[in-house]
Amino acid sequence: IAGITQAPTSQILAAGRRMTLRCTQDMRHNAMYWYRQDLGLGLRLIHYSNTAGTTGKGEVPDGYSVSRANTDDFPLTLASAVPSQTSVYFCASSVDSVNTEAFFGQGTRLTVV
Amino acid sequence: GQQLNQSPQSMFIQEGEDVSMNCTSSSIFNTWLWYKQDPGEGPVLLIALYKAGELTSNGRLTAQFGITRKDSFLNISASIPSDVGIYFCAGQPYTGTASKLTFGTGTRLQVTL
Repeated sequence: IAGITQAPTSQILAAGRRMTLRCTQDMRHNAMYWYRQDLGLGLRLIHYSNTAGTTGKGEVPDGYSVSRANTDDFPLTLASAVPSQTSVYFCASSVDSVNTEAFFGQGTRLTVV
Repeated sequence: GQQLNQSPQSMFIQEGEDVSMNCTSSSIFNTWLWYKQDPGEGPVLLIALYKAGELTSNGRLTAQFGITRKDSFLNISASIPSDVGIYFCAGQPYTGTASKLTFGTGTRLQVTL
């Protein structure tokens, strides 16, 4: 089934550790996004990529980095996790940077202790 | 950044009742989207609106793009138990791209039999 796959589904991580959340899509969408979802705050954009080889900062980029080596993959890295990064992380994609109809993955629930 | 006020925050309704929720923005939006999120899942796009005054239906769901471009409404007719979930509005600014999509904080819908 076509769509977006995120891994892992959930993770408990010690503060200070490095962690990469994986995201793969098979829809050949050009644009991809990482959001975090926190209670009462809705979805907030962390980083985005309009096309392979380019990335940009969203609303809450601090403490996160991304790369877009190819069209399908868009990993999100926490270089040194802190408890405030405890959240549910969603990867999404859209046909291109103008088309706002984004498709979301199932999310990664991350707990930093 | 953009501010999206979504109301109500939560609602309990009886099966068969109609539901209304809305989103208002502090500035003009070019696109309004409505998503639904089931527990443990990512948001799923329900309806996309691209023109002021536009009224679009998807089964029992109807959404409208406000004339002022600063609001949108979602109505669910004859609610059923599977309508339970969190409904999010999202808007794209008039001059923005998909990376500028702003999400509301959600309306949690619970349906009683």
